[in-house]
Amino acid sequence: SYVLIQPPSLSVAPGKTARITCGGNNIGSKSVHWYQQKPGQAPVLVVYDDSDRPSGIPERFSGFNSGNTATLTISRVEAGDEADYYCQVWDTSSDHGVFGGGTKLTVL
Amino acid sequence: EVQLLEYGGGLAQPGGSLRLSCAASGFTFTDYVMNWVRQAPGKGLEWVSLISGSGGSTYYADSVKGRFTISRDNSKNTLYLQLNSLRAEDTAIYYCAAGPRVNEYHFDYWGQGTLVTVSS
Repeated sequence: SYVLIQPPSLSVAPGKTARITCGGNNIGSKSVHWYQQKPGQAPVLVVYDDSDRPSGIPERFSGFNSGNTATLTISRVEAGDEADYYCQVWDTSSDHGVFGGGTKLTVL
Repeated sequence: EVQLLEYGGGLAQPGGSLRLSCAASGFTFTDYVMNWVRQAPGKGLEWVSLISGSGGSTYYADSVKGRFTISRDNSKNTLYLQLNSLRAEDTAIYYCAAGPRVNEYHFDYWGQGTLVTVSS
């Protein structure tokens, strides 16, 4: 089965840039989606199809996908961005949804 | 406004059953594939199952295949998940999630979840 690997945690100072990675075998050939989950809340889609943003998501959130790594970039990080972030793909070979293990973003 | 409201969670004994429901509103239900995604306490997200807009296609995670059944009633805009042969490791918040009909599915809208606890 397809596996997605994320770093468990990342700390960033306010105003700086956070880059959260998601590794997978030839992930660049797949569409990668990213979700933000704050404590006690349901996940929210922040980037889909590698780099598209749903309406209402700030431009500070962007994505890139190539080779074996996809990256979610959050520019000018704010205290309100503190959350768990999950990458996700649909594995068409098995018809299974796959999530990464999640990255806890801490804003210092 | 899109709304997904799950209900039916609760306490079940190992080997027991539960039926979860998810009432959808604010969008054309049949235009969306529907999913169940779960999250064990303190853990990450785990995709559980997907059903196509017509209900004709269903997919399951290996961990629940043969025990859980996803279905939908498009006349009632409602999604279901029948949970049988429950195990302690099925304890989780169960979210329903809606996504567009594309080749590589993602989940645009999420409910607030319903908690399933499996314990004797």
